[in-house]
Amino acid sequence: NAGVTQTPKFQVLKTGQSMTLQCAQDMNHEYMSWYRQDPGMGLRLIHYSVGAGITDQGEVPNGYNVSRSTTEDFPLRLLSAAPSQTSVYFCASSYNLGVGNYNEQFFGPGTRLTVL
Amino acid sequence: DAKTTQPTSMDCAEGRAANLPCNHSTISGNEYVYWYRQIHSQGPQYIIHGLKNNETNEMASLIITEDRKSSTLILPHATLRDTAVYYCIVLPTDKLIFGTGTRLQVFP
Repeated sequence: NAGVTQTPKFQVLKTGQSMTLQCAQDMNHEYMSWYRQDPGMGLRLIHYSVGAGITDQGEVPNGYNVSRSTTEDFPLRLLSAAPSQTSVYFCASSYNLGVGNYNEQFFGPGTRLTVL
Repeated sequence: DAKTTQPTSMDCAEGRAANLPCNHSTISGNEYVYWYRQIHSQGPQYIIHGLKNNETNEMASLIITEDRKSSTLILPHATLRDTAVYYCIVLPTDKLIFGTGTRLQVFP
């Protein structure tokens, strides 16, 4: 299994540009999520999905869109990039999150995004 | 959702036990305590979780107080590779929320 893969590893954008960060997992996990991590800070949840066709907002959703058309893929779209979105973006997946359920979130290697 | 409080940073000598505390005084009866760590700039890594009993795996031990208001993650023989930020998280919730964690520095 490849686990959780993210592309690209690095990206530089200009203010106002749009792009999509890709995330894929081959573990048949229901739950997928996106986090951002600013320098010296903890991870903050952007959006998450509990299954194909279902998405919801996390702590910091503004400026980002997501969709979940398949179990495997969970892309994150920046509609109009801003310097405040300069960060490292992590995608994660697990079987589920819920009451009493054992779950181990598997994280991708991250995408380092710089917005000029 | 129950919140957690952790010290900002801790030091530990290599080969000694590292004891990382976490306070979760508002935890509910069906909420689990999870620990993750993040080494340098990598994605976080699951360590261990528990409900009310103490738990042990190949990486660490988790001690939860009887009232469940606090817990301690124990790395029995810390190595330099255990230098990382350690996050204590309380579930269930439909979101995995990370706080700022404890930065553990293991020194030779």
